[in-house]
Amino acid sequence: DGGITQSPKYLFRKEGQNVTLSCEQNLNHDAMYWYRQDPGQGLRLIYYSQIVNDFQKGDIAEGYSVSREKKESFPLTVTSAQKNPTAFYLCASRIPGQGIAGELFFGEGSRLTVL
Amino acid sequence: GQNIDQPTEMTATEGAIVQINCTYQTSGFNGLFWYQQHAGEAPTFLSYNVLDGLEEKGRFSSFLSRSKGYSYLLLKELQMKDSASYLCAARPAYGQNFVFGPGTRLSVLP
Repeated sequence: DGGITQSPKYLFRKEGQNVTLSCEQNLNHDAMYWYRQDPGQGLRLIYYSQIVNDFQKGDIAEGYSVSREKKESFPLTVTSAQKNPTAFYLCASRIPGQGIAGELFFGEGSRLTVL
Repeated sequence: GQNIDQPTEMTATEGAIVQINCTYQTSGFNGLFWYQQHAGEAPTFLSYNVLDGLEEKGRFSSFLSRSKGYSYLLLKELQMKDSASYLCAARPAYGQNFVFGPGTRLSVLP
């Protein structure tokens, strides 16, 4: 079945370490997104990519980096520069303008905890 | 600016009807979306409105008034499994990214 796979589901990091969250989709979607979710807040956009080899900063890109070398993959690196990285991270994809509404399809999420 | 408001928490009884409201302010408008998210899981798409009126899909319905910047999600015949967060999201204009509300955590009690 088609879908979006995120890994790892849970990750613990020591302060000062970089970590990379994986996101792979086999939906043949062009656009991919990374969101951060904190308790009591809406999803906040970190980075997005509309096409391979191109990506744009979202609202809270500081301390994060991404790459889009393949259509299927959009990994997110949380760097040591991110001041408060403990959060639930969601990867999503869509085909702009298609589907019922061009809605987002989400992965299962990765919960990062900084010790 | 762009903003979406929805109640933080709601409680309802199994078998009842509950309405979750959402108000939005965006620069342009190209659709209002509702997602369901169980704790620790991925949000799943529930409904989409781009024109005024009611869209019905089984036990769930969603309403939109563009002139009022207002939407609601109506859940009928509530079941325990409906206990989840419900996210309201707007797409400001074609090509722009979604704006999400804080989510409404619904607790369904026996």
